[in-house]
Amino acid sequence: NAGVMQNPRHLVRRRGQEARLRCSPMKGHSHVYWYRQLPEEGLKFMVYLQKENIIDESGMPKERFSAEFPKEGPSILRIQQVVRGDSAAYFCASSLGQGALGNTIYFGEGSWLTVV
Amino acid sequence: GENVEQHPSTLSVQEGDSAVIKCTYSDSASNYFPWYKQELGKRPQLIIDIRSNVGEKKDQRIAVTLNKTAKHFSLHITETQPEDSAVYFCAASISGANSKLTFGKGITLSVRP
Repeated sequence: NAGVMQNPRHLVRRRGQEARLRCSPMKGHSHVYWYRQLPEEGLKFMVYLQKENIIDESGMPKERFSAEFPKEGPSILRIQQVVRGDSAAYFCASSLGQGALGNTIYFGEGSWLTVV
Repeated sequence: GENVEQHPSTLSVQEGDSAVIKCTYSDSASNYFPWYKQELGKRPQLIIDIRSNVGEKKDQRIAVTLNKTAKHFSLHITETQPEDSAVYFCAASISGANSKLTFGKGITLSVRP
């Protein structure tokens, strides 16, 4: 089991460009979560998705940020018109979503976005 | 929504001593409480978790205790080693529902050799 796979690991974007972060969940997992971590801060929830559905997006900024988890392919976190404040580590996590172990989530290695 | 708080924010112990990290939560419906360890530049890794039907769980040098009445849970690390130095996050959620994990802000544990 390859675990949660994220790419790119590091991404540099100029202000105003778009950033796309990809996440493939662990095999058999159908629930995906995105968290943002600013330097020396905790993990802030952004969005929770199941295949083709957004379950909870209460942590997503209202503008410029979007997420999807299509029927086929990885989950994508998209940030349009990036600003310096978007610089952070973006962690994806996945879970089975059901059963006794359904809530156990496993994190990917993260994608470090730097906006210059 | 759920609010999870961790105290203290930093903790320094001598190698071989025990370390205790405490968390409180606000939502009495929460019933799943994991702990994650994050080393610098790495991903958070699950080290132990507990569900509300038990009061304590142990795995080698690590244990977690839960007090549902007081809505707090603690991580206990015995015989600390320098490689235990990391940031530790507690979290809470409602098992069996479409519920996200809410994390505390983390505590930086330093183990002095």
